[in-house]
Amino acid sequence: DTAVSQTPKYLVTQMGNDKSIKCEQNLGHDTMYWYKQDSKKFLKIMFSYNNKELIINETVPNRFSPKSPDKAHLNLHINSLELGDSAVYFCASSQYSEMRFGPGTRLTVT
Amino acid sequence: AQSVTQLGSHVSVSEGALVLLRCNYSSSVPPYLFWYVQYPNQGLQLLLKYTTGATLVKGINGFEAEFKKSETSFHLTKPSAHMSDAAEYFCAVSPPMDTGFQKLVFGTGTRLLVSP
Repeated sequence: DTAVSQTPKYLVTQMGNDKSIKCEQNLGHDTMYWYKQDSKKFLKIMFSYNNKELIINETVPNRFSPKSPDKAHLNLHINSLELGDSAVYFCASSQYSEMRFGPGTRLTVT
Repeated sequence: AQSVTQLGSHVSVSEGALVLLRCNYSSSVPPYLFWYVQYPNQGLQLLLKYTTGATLVKGINGFEAEFKKSETSFHLTKPSAHMSDAAEYFCAVSPPMDTGFQKLVFGTGTRLLVSP
């Protein structure tokens, strides 16, 4: 019974393509997030949703668009992929001071 | 604004030796502090956290950390390293939160290498 799950685990695509990553949590948490981990392992928050409402939108290119169809799901759609988008993307959810991370999606843009 | 500095991108220890991973933070408000571990090709797992109360916190896998306000530090320790402790460790800070919403700011990580 995975708490935070992401699909796909690996994603290899060419520049210019559009791709989506899906995330689901079964913890009943109200808040979900997308984090980006670059090649140097640096983690930075991209977006946060609380009860389907966007509450954090860091300085992220508008090619990235999060969508939260319900409290348990937060998807990330990326348009016109660029080489610099290659990274590991982590979904997370939290309730109070407990944040749980998904296994990550490794995106490689060629 | 909050920030975290992890001293040493790599720390090497022998199996059975003391593990000490350093973390210093900057925060204009009383912080919540966290240590996460990331094993290769996996997500982040919470090791321990400090929110309020006792400044020495114990976590999973025998790790503990002490919040020292005067030193703005939250160093992670383990008395005796195991080979299975080899991983990337991240310190993180957030402002105190009463709701589920957190804005974690992570350090750059420290890779722990354990040799036999």
